[in-house]
Order: sequence, then C-alpha cells, then structure tokens
Amino acid sequence: ETGVTQTPRHLVMGMTNKKSLKCEQHLGHNAMYWYKQSAKKPLELMFVYNFKEQTENNSVPSRFSPECPNSSHLFLHLHTLQPEDSALYLCASSQETGSVPYEQYFGPGTRLTVT
Amino acid sequence: DAKTTQPNSMESNEEEPVHLPCNHSTISGTDYIHWYRQLPSQGPEYVIHGLTSNVNNRMASLAIAEDRKSSTLILHRATLRDAAVYYCILRALYNFNKFYFGSGTKLNVKP
Repeated sequence: ETGVTQTPRHLVMGMTNKKSLKCEQHLGHNAMYWYKQSAKKPLELMFVYNFKEQTENNSVPSRFSPECPNSSHLFLHLHTLQPEDSALYLCASSQETGSVPYEQYFGPGTRLTVT
Repeated sequence: DAKTTQPNSMESNEEEPVHLPCNHSTISGTDYIHWYRQLPSQGPEYVIHGLTSNVNNRMASLAIAEDRKSSTLILHRATLRDAAVYYCILRALYNFNKFYFGSGTKLNVKP
C-alpha cells in the first residue's frame, strides 16, 4: 500500500450504532487530518494531529471522537450520529516542520450514510 | 482566517490553456498560497504552492500578483482529465493548522 488509505470506503449506520473510520498513511508524515465534505459545501477541517498530539478541534460535536495511536494511524470513532452527519470523510497527512506549511496528501475518503 | 474568492465554474476547450483566478485580498505577509484539485469521486490532490514568486511544476504554473492579493493557476494545455474542482487556500507560516478550503472552481473541459 502506498499513500493514504482509508477503510471502509462506504459505511451505512443507524443513529444508535457505534462505528470507527480508519486512516493509515505510508508516507512517514508527522501530521494527520480529518475533514468532512458534505454535498455542495466546502471541505471542513475537523481535527488535526501533529506528532500524535491533537492540535486542532474545529468545534466538532462530541459524537465524533478522534484517536491517533501513532503517527501512521488515525481513527474517527462515531456514535449516536444524526442524518446530517452523512458526508464524505477524508483523511490527509503532511510532513510539517513547524514553519513552512507543506502539501497534504489525501485518502479516497469514506462515504458515510446515517439512517 | 484569511479567505479566498474563486469563480464557481469555468469552461475550457481541450488542448487550450486555462487560467483559474483566485482573490485573497486579506492575505497576510506570511500566508502561503496553495492550490489543490479534486477529481470526481476522489480526495483532493495537491497541485502547487507559492509565497511571492511565480512557481512552475509538472502539473501547472502559479502566477502571484505583485501585491499578493490575487493569484492565477495556469494549466498550460487542458486535458479531459483536468476536469475537477480547483481550490485555492491560504496557509500560514508557523501555523499550519489554520486554513480554509472555500467552494473552489469547477472546471469543465470540452473535447
């Protein structure tokens, strides 16, 4: 595997379910990101992890819970979601030095449908 | 956060150059200009970035206005595979967490 992979690619879940999205990067990067892309809306940055530490949480509801056990893996734990949470969830990674912002590499995304 | 303004859509003919504009009038001196594109059913893909000088790479060229309040992404010869949504975003020096994607420009390439 190369680049950034995400599993599952598609997920349908009920509002009472608990599920997790997984992201893995094979690029040796130190920063990882979760984005949400809803239909006809811009990409929304949800969470940022740098060296496994969460450095950004853009007012995301607590029903979304990120986890970054190491610099290669990132999870998004989902529970008691709402239908409006249906969206494409994208993971990205980059190599950040703390000064110049470098390019991000994105995964293919997980298409989530909440019923 | 400094934001960008792009046209909602543009159209181009195959094999012709395309100039995609972006306005960023509130850009600060330490903001880098990044461009990404998102092909249908895929995650965004990095295209190019710059600070003050014009930049070229194998995918495109980036022309940055002297006052840095606007920039233009140039695809020298559009192909059908270049049909995508193109995003212009600003990313701050020393603060890589802060950026905003915006709505982007949907480029349609006609054969």
